[in-house]
Amino acid sequence: EIVLTQSPGTLSLSPGDRATLSCRASQTVTGSYLAWYQQTPGQAPRLLIYSTSSRANGISDRFSGSGSGRDFTLTISRLEPEDFAVYYCQQYGRSLLTFGGGTKVEIK
Amino acid sequence: EVQLVESGGGLVQPGGSLRLSCEVAGFTVSKNDMTWVRQAPGKGLEWLSVFYIAGDTYYADSVRDRFSISRDNSKNTLHLQMNSLRAEDTAVYYCARLHYYYMDVWGRGTTVTVSS
Repeated sequence: EIVLTQSPGTLSLSPGDRATLSCRASQTVTGSYLAWYQQTPGQAPRLLIYSTSSRANGISDRFSGSGSGRDFTLTISRLEPEDFAVYYCQQYGRSLLTFGGGTKVEIK
Repeated sequence: EVQLVESGGGLVQPGGSLRLSCEVAGFTVSKNDMTWVRQAPGKGLEWLSVFYIAGDTYYADSVRDRFSISRDNSKNTLHLQMNSLRAEDTAVYYCARLHYYYMDVWGRGTTVTVSS
């Protein structure tokens, strides 16, 4: 089973700031099967990024994903008020899926 | 409209059982990979189980011997049978469509509380 470790646990930033979230895998994530989700309080998660760097339908170009192998990054170029949320990475490998522990982006 | 609606959650005693359902609208459950994810109070997301189109199923280690995923094609519904429930199974349970290995459609979740 591939374990995903997200850092930092909490990111305290101001609107307009740039956010950089990290997701490190315990083994190589094959086929770029790495996705990112956003979750706001009381809501179901929402797909943001798939295949490491492709934005899901309707997702702002302020969100971008990058990485390969074991290290992946979600970048939010300029934080808007609605971007303050919890973000999870997720991988697929050998028919199983796992999530990272999440990064909370909070208002400073 | 594509929609997933979970039901079947509630309060159950430790050692008890529950069967969750996920009614699908807007697409055919038998032509899509489907999955269950849960979130304990104040915690992160935990993947639980997947039902692939071909019929093969997989589970997370934490639930493998206690939970069972199934689908009812006639009702376009996904199920999760949960047995031998423990306090640590208390969570919101979501079903989601797995599209090319990513979860692109989610339900709103159903809450399971395991307590005496």
